Amino acid sequence: DQQVKQNSPSLSVQEGRISILNCDYTNSMFDYFLWYKKYPAEGPTFLISISSIKDKNEDGRFTVFLNKSAKHLSLHIVPSQPGDSAVYFCAADTEGGSEKLVFGKGTKLTVNP
Amino acid sequence: EAQVTQNPRYLITVTGKKLTVTCSQNMNHEYMSWYRQDPGLGLRQIYYSMNVEVTDKGDVPEGYKVSRKEKRNFPLILESPSPNQTSLYFCASRRQGNYGYTFGSGTRLTVV
Repeated sequence: DQQVKQNSPSLSVQEGRISILNCDYTNSMFDYFLWYKKYPAEGPTFLISISSIKDKNEDGRFTVFLNKSAKHLSLHIVPSQPGDSAVYFCAADTEGGSEKLVFGKGTKLTVNP
Repeated sequence: EAQVTQNPRYLITVTGKKLTVTCSQNMNHEYMSWYRQDPGLGLRQIYYSMNVEVTDKGDVPEGYKVSRKEKRNFPLILESPSPNQTSLYFCASRRQGNYGYTFGSGTRLTVV
């Protein structure tokens, strides 16, 4: 049973445009969500997070939106840059943190110059 | 530099030959975890540890063992590796609370 779903295995956008990566979750106990970015031959690196008490969190070009009623979150990258090309993982956790951070399968983003 | 260090980066071994992948963190984190990444399956948790001498199974623990005798170290042990354990392995650590994991650079294991 996949609790965190990233239904798009890949996404391709033009440099300068917006990238929107989507994530859905099924477990209503999840209250804290994270996005990780992964380049080939490197470990995932933390990008941005959001708590369920918010519906939006912004950090520079990266914004995460959370729709709790729909159990859906999205990561917006504006403007997209070629260096953003990577695999993006959505992850979910319970408030206060648990040891079982659950990851989605990832979306490979390609930003074309 | 705050980091998670895992070794080796690459390993080719034969079926049945016991191996250990080491993991060490210098951030005094309580939580440590092992994940494996496989094509189309994302990151799946193998084992985790909440503190010294406290470990538990993740989603895919079969064929693996771990130990947490010191806070900084969390080795992954494959007693009798099999080809289906060929994968990319990541060790990660984090402190208590809502903080993301810091990941190591990965160990690519091939079992032939």
